[in-house]
Amino acid sequence: NAGVTQTPKFRVLKTGQSMTLLCAQDMNHEYMYWYRQDPGMGLRLIHYSVGEGTTAKGEVPDGYNVSRLKKQNFLLGLESAAPSQTSVYFCASRSGDTEAFFGQGTRLTVV
Amino acid sequence: GQQVMQIPQYQHVQEGEDFTTYCNSSTTLSNIQWYKQRPGGHPVFLIQLVKSGEVKKQKRLTFQFGEAKKNSSLHITATQTTDVGTYFCAGAAAGGGADGLTFGKGTHLIIQP
Repeated sequence: NAGVTQTPKFRVLKTGQSMTLLCAQDMNHEYMYWYRQDPGMGLRLIHYSVGEGTTAKGEVPDGYNVSRLKKQNFLLGLESAAPSQTSVYFCASRSGDTEAFFGQGTRLTVV
Repeated sequence: GQQVMQIPQYQHVQEGEDFTTYCNSSTTLSNIQWYKQRPGGHPVFLIQLVKSGEVKKQKRLTFQFGEAKKNSSLHITATQTTDVGTYFCAGAAAGGGADGLTFGKGTHLIIQP
């Protein structure tokens, strides 16, 4: 019962570096999401996908790109990391209008 | 766009006291979901409310969905230390849409033994 798996769990980047966060789900869900969580801000939607090959912008998409080449995977990329992108990133998936399943989170620090 | 307001942001209670968090949406919702996040953990689904005026119970937790489907509440009776965490409501806009759930900012429940 893997559910939603995120890698890596922790990462420290220098300003200007790039990285990719991987999200994998084994529940055959159509919808996948990337959120960031900051103190006092709750969960804010970065990008989402309604199916393989499709992506869309959420509430705070600037500075991020995503790709969904396979139904089970949703990648979040930071091309040039900035300190403002220090956050905890959560991936989630769901099927239709049902509950969302979250990954364990990735704690990213940009110095 | 849709906004979901949640209050209070923090709630300190003595163990054994009751706790309530409230959620209000700027638009009519298709359904509302509640999640719990333990410190250092990830959000975990608790329940989904769909019908106008719906009330659901899970042991000491009572969830309500307003008649207008724009507000909701979570009430915990006789809190225990295991209830510590952040409780989020998340609204799905009426008319459907795959653009996810709009989360409230959460209520942090802090319990003093």
